[in-house]
Amino acid sequence: AQTVTQSQPEMSVQEAETVTLSCTYDTSESDYYLFWYKQPPSRQMILVIRQEAYKQQNATENRFSVNFQKAAKSFSLKISDSQLGDAAMYFCAYRSKGLGGNEKLTFGTGTRLTIIP
Amino acid sequence: DTEVTQTPKHLVMGMTNKKSLKCEQHMGHRAMYWYKQKAKKPPELMFVYSYEKLSINESVPSRFSPECPNSSLLNLHLHALQPEDSALYLCASSQGLAGIYNEQFFGPGTRLTVL
Repeated sequence: AQTVTQSQPEMSVQEAETVTLSCTYDTSESDYYLFWYKQPPSRQMILVIRQEAYKQQNATENRFSVNFQKAAKSFSLKISDSQLGDAAMYFCAYRSKGLGGNEKLTFGTGTRLTIIP
Repeated sequence: DTEVTQTPKHLVMGMTNKKSLKCEQHMGHRAMYWYKQKAKKPPELMFVYSYEKLSINESVPSRFSPECPNSSLLNLHLHALQPEDSALYLCASSQGLAGIYNEQFFGPGTRLTVL
């Protein structure tokens, strides 16, 4: 079974600075998806960024980018120019590509990000 | 419309009550999910429906009974719940189950309190 580990329960960053959230995972599969989800205090979970394992290029979405190290099974999220609206719980998640019971998302335990004005 | 809606937002029920949670999406998605999320924890998958058929049941107790009346609607019927069932219940939907179509869109959740 796959596992996802987020070793930083809490992080804080000054507004406009850059912060990196860590995520490692364990799998025996060669092709899969990795996600970062954001859950603000209002609770609605939002997809921030997605990476397909077979793609070597790191995914980027505006101020959000990932550092995907497949051999090291590491998938960190970098937030540049942090804004107050970035304050949230961030979950790293893994999903297999296959069907037949592998459709579930496996979440990490989350990192609570605080933005300091 | 890229929204998943859930009603009610909050629900308080006794252990002998019967209640239902409702989830709706109008994005044409054919897969829908129920998750349970305890405070400061990640969501835990409960059920997955694909094309209105139950695809995954993560060994959830029978006091939780899902129903998918049509492709846009997902219900979770609750009966004889325990206080430890108090949690945020999240609904999600995705275009399908395979490949890139599994990107899940989440609703805001129903905060359930069992007394």
